[in-house]
Amino acid sequence: GENVEQHPSTLSVQEGDSAVIKCTYSDSASNYFPWYKQELGKRPQLIIDIRSNVGEKKDQRIAVTLNKTAKHFSLHITETQPEDSAVYFCAASGGSQGNLIFGKGTKLSVKP
Amino acid sequence: DAGVIQSPRHEVTEMGQEVTLRCKPISGHDYLFWYRQTMMRGLELLIYFNNNVPIDDSGMPEDRFSAKMPNASFSTLKIQPSEPRDSAVYFCASSWWSASSGNTIYFGEGSWLTVV
Repeated sequence: GENVEQHPSTLSVQEGDSAVIKCTYSDSASNYFPWYKQELGKRPQLIIDIRSNVGEKKDQRIAVTLNKTAKHFSLHITETQPEDSAVYFCAASGGSQGNLIFGKGTKLSVKP
Repeated sequence: DAGVIQSPRHEVTEMGQEVTLRCKPISGHDYLFWYRQTMMRGLELLIYFNNNVPIDDSGMPEDRFSAKMPNASFSTLKIQPSEPRDSAVYFCASSWWSASSGNTIYFGEGSWLTVV
């Protein structure tokens, strides 16, 4: 089955700096890659996603890139703000399955 | 829409007791998922349903865990008997169609289970 690896597990940046989180997946049939943000004590919420027919997608300060050949995808947050502090999860669709397999998460801390 | 609704939000129970977690998916969503979240293991998929039928239960840890979906608007996750290592946040989630078709999965607020 699908396996998703996520790095780093923790990331600390200064306000205004950029943050990058990277994920790799194992199943070449996977074709949907969402990113979720989870604030302390809250539910994971979708912040951006990318499909396999697209190499990059941007939404204001957030961007995702996908390299299908290398089977990795990344989340880029620019001009980080304290409210970006949270745990971020990458996920991949389980090949041709209906489910999502999640990475272990990255705890991002943005210092004012 | 009210989103995915879970109950109870918090439960503290004694080891050996039966625990039942409940979920109402978003109306019209054909897929329902149960995930478990712990610090050590992250977000683990336990089981998911398509049109009320269990598709993959390979993530269910052991026979103490069972899940049902008697109709399109209700699902339960049962633990019997409960053990302290079952303490975790259990999330129910739903999606309109398959994730492989690029459909977003929406999470409920979670059920925080503590087994003492």
